[in-house]
Amino acid sequence: DAGITQSPRHKVTETGTPVTLRCHQTENHRYMYWYRQDPGHGLRLIHYSYGVKDTDKGEVSDGYSVSRSKTEDFLLTLESATSSQTSVYFCAISGGAPMNTEAFFGQGTRLTVV
Amino acid sequence: ELKVEQNPLFLSMQEGKNYTIYCNYSTTSDRLYWYRQDPGKSLESLFVLLSNGAVKQEGRLMASLDTKARLSTLHITAAVHDLSATYFCAVGLKGKLIFGQGTTLQVKP
Repeated sequence: DAGITQSPRHKVTETGTPVTLRCHQTENHRYMYWYRQDPGHGLRLIHYSYGVKDTDKGEVSDGYSVSRSKTEDFLLTLESATSSQTSVYFCAISGGAPMNTEAFFGQGTRLTVV
Repeated sequence: ELKVEQNPLFLSMQEGKNYTIYCNYSTTSDRLYWYRQDPGKSLESLFVLLSNGAVKQEGRLMASLDTKARLSTLHITAAVHDLSATYFCAVGLKGKLIFGQGTTLQVKP
């Protein structure tokens, strides 16, 4: 299995509080991604990173920020959590090189905003 | 803007039958993935398709890619109950990786 770990795995938080989810990889892959999964919507890209300190927005980036200060860590922050951000969040990694195109997923973080 | 559409979104089929899931995408891409997801689990990589005409097979599943038509198919041969899951295609372009809505497959005995 690819070395990718998400933490925490489950979290319940109150509306208006900040929340940070962590994705840690041991594969030295260039690309890292954050998705949210909701019934009827599949997986929607929130933000992605193509290197240290290099990030870009995805399809549903409003209300989320990210940071990548080291190759191995990609943090997703909800500055002020809302009930609409209740979801399952997945991190993914990919080498991105021509011969290393597999994209692997973490186990997911179930976030509930009450 | 890269958009990915799968159809059907839900598929109920009998064991032993064949069927195809379609994945259409809106712009040129540099790779296409198929994933399987079981309820409450993460995504498992099935196939990566990189070039026009690429075909990959694993067991009862076969994936193909037509970049000119911007279409990929996942063909299921002689379905068995163990194939019941949600299948996603995802299309990559310059680092971005965009998913289709998923197809939930239910194989009935």
